[in-house]
Amino acid sequence: GAGVSQSPSNKVTEKGKDVELRCDPISGHTALYWYRQSLGQGLEFLIYFQGNSAPDKSGLPSDRFSAERTGGSVSTLTIQRTQQEDSAVYLCASSLVEGQPQHFGDGTRLSIL
Amino acid sequence: RKEVEQDPGPFNVPEGATVAFNCTYSNSASQSFFWYRQDCRKEPKLLMSVYSSGNEDGRFTAQLNRASQYISLLIRDSKLSDSATYLCVVIDGGFKTIFGAGTRLFVKA
Repeated sequence: GAGVSQSPSNKVTEKGKDVELRCDPISGHTALYWYRQSLGQGLEFLIYFQGNSAPDKSGLPSDRFSAERTGGSVSTLTIQRTQQEDSAVYLCASSLVEGQPQHFGDGTRLSIL
Repeated sequence: RKEVEQDPGPFNVPEGATVAFNCTYSNSASQSFFWYRQDCRKEPKLLMSVYSSGNEDGRFTAQLNRASQYISLLIRDSKLSDSATYLCVVIDGGFKTIFGAGTRLFVKA
């Protein structure tokens, strides 16, 4: 596609539920990144994919967070047993190859009640 | 010490002013450097890459100083539309991407 596409745009859910966030990167981009941004805060790196592999998962906040990427394209970020502190905007970015400029999607605004 | 540090501001400047932001980074092996801008409640957007030789894009000039481990962004003839948060981005070893916390700029008429 023309840009990075994320869905849903907004998600409101109750504490304890699982949520799945989707990212569709720019076609041909091999590198894909997930970030989290809380209100008024900077970007927090979560995880990076090169192809379908995630060389570095150290940014994931807890074992409730997991991510996968299939076919070198679409990625999903799953948060299990959501907590109120998970409320944030989750941003996905892709780049042609690692080290190149990253292009961001519009983000998913997640609110945990 | 933070890996990437920026003055959070805010910088309040009148239209037409020249304003400069600096960003320092701690890893001397860092390889790629960028400036992004982020508008309120929007995603970050690439403003420009930063090279040792310096690069200019219209009213914007970016510079990298490897010896002192800082990058800079200069905005000339500020416009109201330049009001945003400017994010310094450093990439280490190919994939580890570190965003600065951002510098807020307000340009006033």
